[in-house]
Amino acid sequence: QKEVEQNSGPLSVPEGAIASLNCTYSDRGSQSFFWYRQYSGKSPELIMFIYSNGDKEDGRFTAQLNKASQYVSLLIRDSQPSDSATYLCAVNRGNDYKLSFGAGTTVTVRA
Amino acid sequence: DGGITQSPKYLFRKEGQNVTLSCEQNLNHDAMYWYRQDPGQGLRLIYYSQIVNDFQKGDIAEGYSVSREKKESFPLTVTSAQKNPTAFYLCASITSYGYTFGSGTRLTVV
Repeated sequence: QKEVEQNSGPLSVPEGAIASLNCTYSDRGSQSFFWYRQYSGKSPELIMFIYSNGDKEDGRFTAQLNKASQYVSLLIRDSQPSDSATYLCAVNRGNDYKLSFGAGTTVTVRA
Repeated sequence: DGGITQSPKYLFRKEGQNVTLSCEQNLNHDAMYWYRQDPGQGLRLIYYSQIVNDFQKGDIAEGYSVSREKKESFPLTVTSAQKNPTAFYLCASITSYGYTFGSGTRLTVV
């Protein structure tokens, strides 16, 4: 079983719609969770992090964490063509901040 | 501006050759990391260092070596023992909110 699993996509959504990305992780002791956006040929950039169960909102992005189900998600509201990218889910494995990454979900926002 | 600088952006390696990827940061961060990214796969940890003159192997350290002689610098050497080195290499340091990545080095074996 992979440590972090994501649907690879591609996920195609119309402009203005909500994109929903899912991520599951295997280590029940994981404490912090991150979503990165990666444009083609570029390095990942952090868009959200979440530590506590529940929802965390930042602009058009909402991260949701359910530690009991070992599930973290990212919602992108009012999707824009500029949101077209690969979204990486990452989970902190311990105190030395080694992150485990999922393979990423590719999102395409069609105008 | 503070950040992480990786060089070169593109690197070509011949069979049997060692090459070194540079990673420099001016963020005054203690911990630094090297990851490798292959198409369709997540980032995989090669080596990391939490303090000068100390580093630990990650999940895929075979065929790689690192040094950490200065806080600002964490170079990665891809040795001839690494049989499949073609990949996108990312250096990162840690903030309170997660990793900050450099712009990456794309290594190709020719």
